[in-house]
Amino acid sequence: DAGVIQSPRHEVTEMGQEVTLRCKPISGHDYLFWYRQTMMRGLELLIYFNNNVPIDDSGMPEDRFSAKMPNASFSTLKIQPSEPRDSAVYFCASSLDPTGDTQYFGPGTRLTVL
Amino acid sequence: KQEVTQIPAALSVPEGENLVLNCSFTDSAIYNLQWFRQDPGKGLTSLLLIQSSQREQTSGRLNASLDKSSGRSTLYIAASQPGDSATYLCAADDQTGANNLFFGTGTRLTVIP
Repeated sequence: DAGVIQSPRHEVTEMGQEVTLRCKPISGHDYLFWYRQTMMRGLELLIYFNNNVPIDDSGMPEDRFSAKMPNASFSTLKIQPSEPRDSAVYFCASSLDPTGDTQYFGPGTRLTVL
Repeated sequence: KQEVTQIPAALSVPEGENLVLNCSFTDSAIYNLQWFRQDPGKGLTSLLLIQSSQREQTSGRLNASLDKSSGRSTLYIAASQPGDSATYLCAADDQTGANNLFFGTGTRLTVIP
């Protein structure tokens, strides 16, 4: 398996623009997670899905952030409008069953908002 | 909310030395405690997962221990190698479920040849 795939790997945009990050989880994994990593706050869980359904979005910072999972093999994290403080590395991870299995992380998308 | 702390923030050791990384967490009602490795510009790679009923896990030169009652875990690396240089992250869930992982800020390890 190719592992968790994320695109783009790097994104530079201007403040106010819409940003869409994409993730393809490992085939057969029922859980998908979106994380954000910054120097100041470390790695934080934003939202996770189980069988394509959002379960906990309490980590989503504000209404400018939204996430969808239209099918088992694809998820998006959208920021609209983007702000400089959204600059971070965004990771997607997937898992079979977190109670006994680890989460497998993608390579991340480095977002810079100017 | 679970809080995870890692000490030290950075560590530099000569090749061949054994070393211990420390992790502490505030909520002992965990399902799992995990250790990850992160290389610069890369994602996280899982090293070891210790379930709450376990005391330790081993993989090659790595050994992780868990003491739930004291809220502590250690990662022991034997005979360190330059390839072990990376940031090591500890993560714990909490009583709300195994899906919510809370990460420490990591220990940046440098092994000097």
